[in-house]
Amino acid sequence: GQSLEQPSEVTAVEGAIVQINCTYQTSGFYGLSWYQQHDGGAPTFLSYNALDGLEETGRFSSFLSRSDSYGYLLLQELQMKDSASYFCAADTGRRALTFGSGTRLQVQP
Amino acid sequence: DADVTQTPRNRITKTGKRIMLECSQTKGHDRMYWYRQDPGLGLRLIYYSFDVKDINKGEISDGYSVSRQAQAKFSLSLESAIPNQTALYFCATSDLPGLASNTGELFFGEGSRLTVL
Repeated sequence: GQSLEQPSEVTAVEGAIVQINCTYQTSGFYGLSWYQQHDGGAPTFLSYNALDGLEETGRFSSFLSRSDSYGYLLLQELQMKDSASYFCAADTGRRALTFGSGTRLQVQP
Repeated sequence: DADVTQTPRNRITKTGKRIMLECSQTKGHDRMYWYRQDPGLGLRLIYYSFDVKDINKGEISDGYSVSRQAQAKFSLSLESAIPNQTALYFCATSDLPGLASNTGELFFGEGSRLTVL
C-alpha cells in the first residue's frame, strides 16, 4: 500500500523556525508535494520536489531525500497566519496524489 | 468567481437518502478528482477522471458513484447515504501533463460539508 507519515501536531512561537517531516512508503514515487490548509478552507499548494535537495519559496522551503524516503517542509520567520494544517502528498505514478494525514501547526505569540 | 466551485457547501441529510455533490471548474483542466477529508485521516481519494470517458476508482470508492458530464463538470453521488459518510468532500482539478513532468499541484474547491444523520 501507500503510506505517508507526518507528526500530528507541532507547536512553535512567532518568529521561530519549524520543520515538518514526512516519511513515505510507496510503490512507485515521482515527487513530493506540500499543501497548506487553514481551518474551514481548501488545501492550497505550497511546493513540489521531484529531485533530491532543497527548494526555496520565500519563507517556505521543502526538502526531499529519495534514498531515505523522506522529506520536510521548513517554515521560517513564523507568523500567526501560518497556523494551519500541512499535508505532504506523494505522486506515486498511480495517476492521483496520495496524502499524509496532516500536521497541525500552532503558532503561539 | 472561484475557479473550482462545489455545491452545496453544506448539506444535512438522513440515512438512506440519495445525495449529489456537484463540482464545476473554469480552469480548463482535463483531470478532476473527488477527495474525502476526515479529522486525523487527511485526504482520501474517492474517484478521479482524466476525461469524460475515463473514470477511475480511488482508494475508498465503495458507496459512491460519479458522473463526468463534461470536461468542466464532475459530480459525486451517494446512492444511499449512511452516517459514516459524514465528512468534508473536496473536488480538485489538475493539468498534470505527465508523470515525470508534473508539479504536483491540485486546485481544490472550497469543500462540501455533508452530515448524514
